[in-house]
Amino acid sequence: EVQLVESGGGLVKPGGSLRLSCAASGFTFSKYTMNWVRQVPGKGLEWVSSISGSSTHIYYTDSVKGRFTISRDNAQNSLYLQMNSLRAEDTAVYYCVRDYQQVYVGWFDPWGQGTLVTVSS
Amino acid sequence: EIVLTQSPATLSLSPGERATLSCRASQSISTFLAWYQQKPGQAPRLLIYDTSNRATGVPARFSGSGSGTDFTLTISSLEPEDFAVYYCQQRTNWPFTFGGGTKVEIK
Repeated sequence: EVQLVESGGGLVKPGGSLRLSCAASGFTFSKYTMNWVRQVPGKGLEWVSSISGSSTHIYYTDSVKGRFTISRDNAQNSLYLQMNSLRAEDTAVYYCVRDYQQVYVGWFDPWGQGTLVTVSS
Repeated sequence: EIVLTQSPATLSLSPGERATLSCRASQSISTFLAWYQQKPGQAPRLLIYDTSNRATGVPARFSGSGSGTDFTLTISSLEPEDFAVYYCQQRTNWPFTFGGGTKVEIK
């Protein structure tokens, strides 16, 4: 069974940093593009970042470029999101999401349970 | 950035009725559109990808259609477990974007 378990969320002050982790199991991690998608509680979904299986291709949404860094450790079956210079508008549930297929990038499934990041003074 | 506009925002229907949800793209996205279902307190789940392909385990009552800029998700006969929020998403261009969602609620 595919499992994605996020950790690392919490309360942080504006300008602070946080590192999210996602532990993956039940599939060949290195063969899949992995993603972070966030959701403000009660609101819609926003794609944040993607990283290819070999870390060759990395993409970010404009609002986090220069502040967030996605990375992965295929030996540890883990995905990370380093978040620096956090802003109130980064407050959201962050989901770790696998690409649905190995071949085509951009369809998201399955999803982890999410970890809440709250940026507030 | 490609903007996806979903309508209506809320759909009030009874079990057994047919649900028709719309997603319109700000520019052509060919058939690179997916639909997700999200129930309260849960993560989203992929239902349909590439406009009309059902993801593994998705019941046949869910179907998708469209191309270019106009897309539709149809639930042929609503089951109690189908009342949820539905999002469309495109993967034609980075950044990948989602629509604002349609809530299907019990009438």
